[in-house]
Amino acid sequence: DAKTTQPNSMESNEEEPVHLPCNHSTISGTDYIHWYRQLPSQGPEYVIHGLTSNVNNRMASLAIAEDRKSSTLILHRATLRDAAVYYCILRVTGGSQGNLIFGKGTKLSVKP
Amino acid sequence: DTEVTQTPKHLVMGMTNKKSLKCEQHMGHRAMYWYKQKAKKPPELMFVYSYEKLSINESVPSRFSPECPNSSLLNLHLHALQPEDSALYLCASSQEGRGMYTEAFFGQGTRLTVV
Repeated sequence: DAKTTQPNSMESNEEEPVHLPCNHSTISGTDYIHWYRQLPSQGPEYVIHGLTSNVNNRMASLAIAEDRKSSTLILHRATLRDAAVYYCILRVTGGSQGNLIFGKGTKLSVKP
Repeated sequence: DTEVTQTPKHLVMGMTNKKSLKCEQHMGHRAMYWYKQKAKKPPELMFVYSYEKLSINESVPSRFSPECPNSSLLNLHLHALQPEDSALYLCASSQEGRGMYTEAFFGQGTRLTVV
């Protein structure tokens, strides 16, 4: 499975934008970039995914580098509720299964 | 309904007990997953079911036995577990077809303690 690299932790102030980076230099052409987050004591929650173009939804934006070897999850205005572990995952679509294999993720702390 | 429901939420079992974890979804998803998560670690994939057939077993010990009775239900049967099997067990589901996978939905997990 293609691997991702994320910083172990990041801090943000409430109501400021947060940029969470992810490197995936071994990504293949058909791998989708997925982001999930896990709040304390909860199951992971889908945030956003994309293939080549930047994506926006109500939760966040996903900026994908032109060579697709890195991406950035953007939270436009962090709230205390956004404090979570954020996982960047490559979802393989070329094989028979598009399994979600979690890396270590980035623990985001949000300060009031 | 975009929920994946797991029962029970908490389970304490002895090493000689047999118990089952249950997972249910009504989103019409044909891929269902079991994950194990230890404290402060990422979820680890255990099993994948695709169209009610076991397609992935990530070298999980036989004391964990999955079952998919129909497209909405996923069970994990537990027998002769060890204390190190204590963890949060997560179920997830996603749509699949033509090799394309949409987002996965996760349940809140079953917190298992083996004594």
